[in-house]
Amino acid sequence: QKEVEQDPGPLSVPEGAIVSLNCTYSNSAFQYFMWYRQYSRKGPELLMYTYSSGNKEDGRFTAQVDKSSKYISLFIRDSQPSDSATYLCAMITEAAGNKLTFGGGTRVLVKP
Amino acid sequence: GAVVSQHPSRVICKSGTSVKIECRSLDFQATTMFWYRQFPKQSLMLMATSNEGSKATYEQGVEKDKFLINHASLTLSTLTVTSAHPEDSSFYICSALTSKNEQFFGPGTRLTVL
Repeated sequence: QKEVEQDPGPLSVPEGAIVSLNCTYSNSAFQYFMWYRQYSRKGPELLMYTYSSGNKEDGRFTAQVDKSSKYISLFIRDSQPSDSATYLCAMITEAAGNKLTFGGGTRVLVKP
Repeated sequence: GAVVSQHPSRVICKSGTSVKIECRSLDFQATTMFWYRQFPKQSLMLMATSNEGSKATYEQGVEKDKFLINHASLTLSTLTVTSAHPEDSSFYICSALTSKNEQFFGPGTRLTVL
């Protein structure tokens, strides 16, 4: 079993819909949780960074962390075709030297 | 967010030559940087952790003599692929760690070895 599980998709939604992404993890030592967006042939772009259970909102993006359930989510409101990309969840522990443990990524396609 | 650059963005070289890739943190200092490689439609694979002023730490299965890493300053880490072969062709990406434990990635370098 992988440390971080993420549905690979593809997830196809119409423009304007809410995109819902999630990851589950098994290591309770993870302290920091991130969501990255990666376009084809580009480096990942940091979207959200959280370190405690609860919600964090930034523009159209909302990240949720539930440490008791070992579950994190990312919601994208009012999705646009430009949101079509692969979304990666990632987690770190300081004890592991801040190495990122990635989910496998979910490919999202927003159709106009 | 913070900005990390990589140079070159794309390189094509002949088999047997060495290639150097630079990773720079442009607006912050990074004592720790990471090097990844990524194959098409796969997630990033961590190759090594680069620490300023000390030797890099390599992941299991990554040849340190093949992939030389130097982190000479707080804003620059370099990865040199020595005696490159076609199987080394890949997308190489670096990331830099901020003081808040955020990791920002560079745009990546596409290496093609002929």
